[in-house]
Amino acid sequence: QVRLVESGGGVVQPGRSLRLSCAASGFTFNNYAMHWVRQAPGKGLEWVAVISSDGSNKYYSDSVKGRFTISRDSSKNTLYLQMNSLRADDTAAYLCAREIYPGGKAVGDYWGQGTLVTVSS
Amino acid sequence: QSALTQPASVSGSPGQSITISCAGTSSDVGGYKYVSWHQHHPGKAPKLIIYDVSDRPSGVSNRFSGSKSGNTASLTISGLQAEDEADYYCSSYTSTSTLVFGGGTKLTVL
Repeated sequence: QVRLVESGGGVVQPGRSLRLSCAASGFTFNNYAMHWVRQAPGKGLEWVAVISSDGSNKYYSDSVKGRFTISRDSSKNTLYLQMNSLRADDTAAYLCAREIYPGGKAVGDYWGQGTLVTVSS
Repeated sequence: QSALTQPASVSGSPGQSITISCAGTSSDVGGYKYVSWHQHHPGKAPKLIIYDVSDRPSGVSNRFSGSKSGNTASLTISGLQAEDEADYYCSSYTSTSTLVFGGGTKLTVL
């Protein structure tokens, strides 16, 4: 079955960096674009970034553009999110998710459980 | 990349129908067929209930239906049940190849 498992969250000071990982299994990783979505405490879902199935195209929300980098390693079936220059408003649970179907332009029905990032001094 | 506009809350009694709106622009909702809806019970993973404006994934009840008119998409839930009480989020593909979510709507089943 499809499984997505995030890791790498924690408490970090403002301005520092953190790298999140999302290990994927149960499907052909190379066939699907992958997304990062976050949810701040008490807030709604916020889309963060997407990477195409072959890794050649990457798009970001305005709130993280220039600070976050999404990447993937097909040999490890793993998605990454490198987060630099972290700010207090980046505090959130970060979830990885698979696109709905190849080329589907939407987040589908497979999500990780989330990893919590807390930015605080 | 402004969030799509959803009502903060809606409510209905068991058996009734409710509709949640999702207002965007011609650069997102109005411009593409890629509008989806997720149901989110706190503490659980979001569940996809509608994709491509009006398609339902297999296994999702036909009590859930989606539509779009101009720049506004809608989710209708008919025959409300207690287990439908959750947060609902719309999302859309945009002209800059990004995605955008709505602010979320809390559904209360009275």
